[in-house]
Formats: sequence, structure tokens, C-alpha cells
Amino acid sequence: EVQLVESGGGLVQPGGSLRLSCAASGFTFSDHWMNWVRQAPGKGLEWVANIKDDGSKQYYVDSVKGRFTISRDNAKNSLFLQMNSLRAEDTAVYYCARGSNCWGQGTLVTVSS
Amino acid sequence: DVVMTQSPLSLPVTLGQPASISCRSSQSLVHSDGNTYLNWFQQRPGQSPRRLIYNVSNRDSGVPDRFSGSGSGTDFTLKISRVEAEDVGVYYCLQTTHWPFTFGPGTKVDFK
Repeated sequence: EVQLVESGGGLVQPGGSLRLSCAASGFTFSDHWMNWVRQAPGKGLEWVANIKDDGSKQYYVDSVKGRFTISRDNAKNSLFLQMNSLRAEDTAVYYCARGSNCWGQGTLVTVSS
Repeated sequence: DVVMTQSPLSLPVTLGQPASISCRSSQSLVHSDGNTYLNWFQQRPGQSPRRLIYNVSNRDSGVPDRFSGSGSGTDFTLKISRVEAEDVGVYYCLQTTHWPFTFGPGTKVDFK
């Protein structure tokens, strides 16, 4: 069974940093593009970043470029999102997704003083 | 960026009756490889999104056949042939042809 389990969310002050992790199981992790998608409370979905199967390419939505870094460790079946210079508007549930067809349960990031 | 619009944004439905959601993109979603990467998602209250349809009209495994997708170019439609109680939620279209991938604003489906 495919499983994606996010962790690392929490409360952080504006300007702070947080690192999200996603543990993958039930499939060959190194065969798939992986993604982070977020959803602000009561709002719609926003595709944040994705990374190629071998980690050689990464893409970011403009609103997080220069602040967020997506990475992966194929040996440990893990996906990461390093978030720096966090802003109130980054407050959201962050989902890890394999392609667009498998999603985790999400982890909540709250940026507030 | 490709802007995705959906209509209606709120859809009151009746059990057993059909329902339809429209999704339009600001530019063609036909990829250089010939495929059209338009997806439909369902998000039930308190749950993660679940993909229902990929590449315009292909149902994901386990998705009931009352859900169908159609369209081309910039105009797409999700249809539910007979609404069931479990279909309540928000439906999103997503294009993955052009980066950044973009979602529509969502259509809330609820009972009258």
C-alpha cells in the first residue's frame, strides 16, 4: 500500500524556518517525481514545488522561490521542504504528493507571532 | 501562469440527479507531447484531495463510473451521472501541462 506521511509542521514566528519531511513507503520512491502542495485554512490548493525522480531538477511557484528548497533522499525514501523567511501567508496544510495521484494527510504550518 | 476558472463555485445538488462542473484554462493545455494534462480532484470535508480523473477523461482506479471527464484545449467538464451522498465536497481541476501547475478555485458540491 502506498503511504506518504508528512511531519515537521508547527507554529513558527514570521521570519523563522521550518523543515518538513515526508516518509514514503509502498512504492519505488526513486522512480517518481515528488511534490509539495499547500492549502491555506479554508482556501484552495496551491502547488508549491516539485522535484525530479533523481533530484536533478526542482521547480518552485514564484511566491516561494528563494525561500523554500525541495530535496529528497532516495536511499531513505524521504522528501523534504526547507522553508526559510516564513511569512504569515505561508500558513497552510502542506501535503506531500507522488505525482498528482497519491497524497499524504498533510502537516499544518502556522506562521504567527 | 495558466489561470484556471471553474463554474459554478457552488453547486446545490439532489440525490440521484446529474451534476456538472466546468473548468476553463487561460491557455491551451495541450502539451508538446500531444497529451492534455487536465485532472479533477475531490476533497471531502477534513480529508486530503483525491484524484478522480487524469488526462481529461481517464478515471483513476477505484473511482465510480458515475464520474466522467471530457473536454479539450481550454474547456473541460466533470460530470456526475447520479449524485450520491458521498459526493459532497469540493471539486478542483488542476493543469499539469505548464509550470507552475495551477488549480481552479474549487466548486463546492452540497445538497439542496
